[in-house]
Amino acid sequence: EVQLVESGGGLVQPGGSLRLSCAVSGFTFSSYWMTWVRQAPGKGLEWVANISPDGSAKQYGDSAKGRFTISRDNAENSLYLQMNTLRGEDTAVYYCARSTDWGFDYWGQGTLVTVSS
Amino acid sequence: QSGLTQPPSASGSPGQSVTISCTGTSSDVGGYNHVSWYQQYPGKAPKLLINEVSKRPSGVPDRFSGSKSGNTASLTVSGLQAEDEADYYCCSFAVTNNWLFGGGTKLTVL
Repeated sequence: EVQLVESGGGLVQPGGSLRLSCAVSGFTFSSYWMTWVRQAPGKGLEWVANISPDGSAKQYGDSAKGRFTISRDNAENSLYLQMNTLRGEDTAVYYCARSTDWGFDYWGQGTLVTVSS
Repeated sequence: QSGLTQPPSASGSPGQSVTISCTGTSSDVGGYNHVSWYQQYPGKAPKLLINEVSKRPSGVPDRFSGSKSGNTASLTVSGLQAEDEADYYCCSFAVTNNWLFGGGTKLTVL
């Protein structure tokens, strides 16, 4: 059974940092692109970043460029999102998802990040 | 790059059909068959409904179908059931090597 479990969310002050993790099981993690998608409260989905199977290629959405870093550890079957210089508008549920050529076929349950003083 | 355009709401009675549109540009929806649709219930993670414009993953009822014409993709839900009441999102790959989502459509079963 494919499972993706996010962790690391919480309350952080504006300007602060947070590192999200996504533990994966049930498929060969090292063979897939992986993605982070976020959803602000009451809003729609927004693609944040993705990473190639070997970690050599990374792509970021406009809101993440320069502040967020996606990474992975294939030995640990884990995906990460390092978020720096956080702003109020980064408040959202962050989902990790398995990527395919045409979209995202498996999603985690999400972890809530709240940026507030 | 802006997101894809969806109507904020749609509705239909049980047994009817409803179609939700998703409009982009030639740089995303119109340029690729990498269009997918997701269903999301309140407080839950999105679930893949349709991939590659019109393909249903295993386990998705055949009441859900997808299509595309030009820069607009569509999701049709036939034989509406109460359990179909949810938010629906389209998504497309874009020429800038990123992924775009629609703003979402809240489907109400009357």
